[in-house]
Amino acid sequence: EIVLTQSPTTIAASPGEKVTITCRASSSVSYMYWYQQKSGASPKLWIYDTSKLASGVPNRFSGSGSGTSYSLTINTMETEDAATYYCQQWSSTPPTFTFGSGTKLEIK
Amino acid sequence: EVQLVESGGGLVQPGRSLKLSCAASGFTFSNYYMAWVRQAPKKGLEWVATISTSGSRTYYPDSVKGRFTISRDNAKSSLYLQMNSLKSEDTATYYCARHRAGITPYYFDYWGQGVMVTVSS
Repeated sequence: EIVLTQSPTTIAASPGEKVTITCRASSSVSYMYWYQQKSGASPKLWIYDTSKLASGVPNRFSGSGSGTSYSLTINTMETEDAATYYCQQWSSTPPTFTFGSGTKLEIK
Repeated sequence: EVQLVESGGGLVQPGRSLKLSCAASGFTFSNYYMAWVRQAPKKGLEWVATISTSGSRTYYPDSVKGRFTISRDNAKSSLYLQMNSLKSEDTATYYCARHRAGITPYYFDYWGQGVMVTVSS
């Protein structure tokens, strides 16, 4: 079973600051997916296929990575970006879906 | 507009059963794999079950295998989760989620608002 480790657990950033969240997999994976969850709300697909932005996601967000190391980056932090971000991977045999433990992004 | 609306949650005693429902609309339900994902209070996300488009294939993590059963009724555009032998650690918000289009489920592109299940005596 592949384990996803996110870092940092919590991060505070000022508006305009660049933010990077990392997700490391215990074994190599082909793609990484990211979700944004605001307090009291359902998760939303944010990034798919490692680097593609879901519909409506601002282009200040980007995703990158390969193998066992992936990241989500916010080029210039905005107050509306405060949320918890989860990475997720998929294994095919048998199909299983694993989430990282989440990174809480706060406004400084 | 894709909508997923869960129902059936509540307070249940340990060892008892509960069945969750999810009403889907805004898309051709029978074309998509569907799933349940849960989130314990103040905790992260945990995948609970996935079902294929026809319902012929189902997948579970070890934590619920043998206790939970996912099913669907394509005629009613509805998804279900039968939960038996409930434990306190099953206490969580349960989300109905749609897998991405295609024969390989990969990820979840739409989520419902969630329904709370509390297992306690």
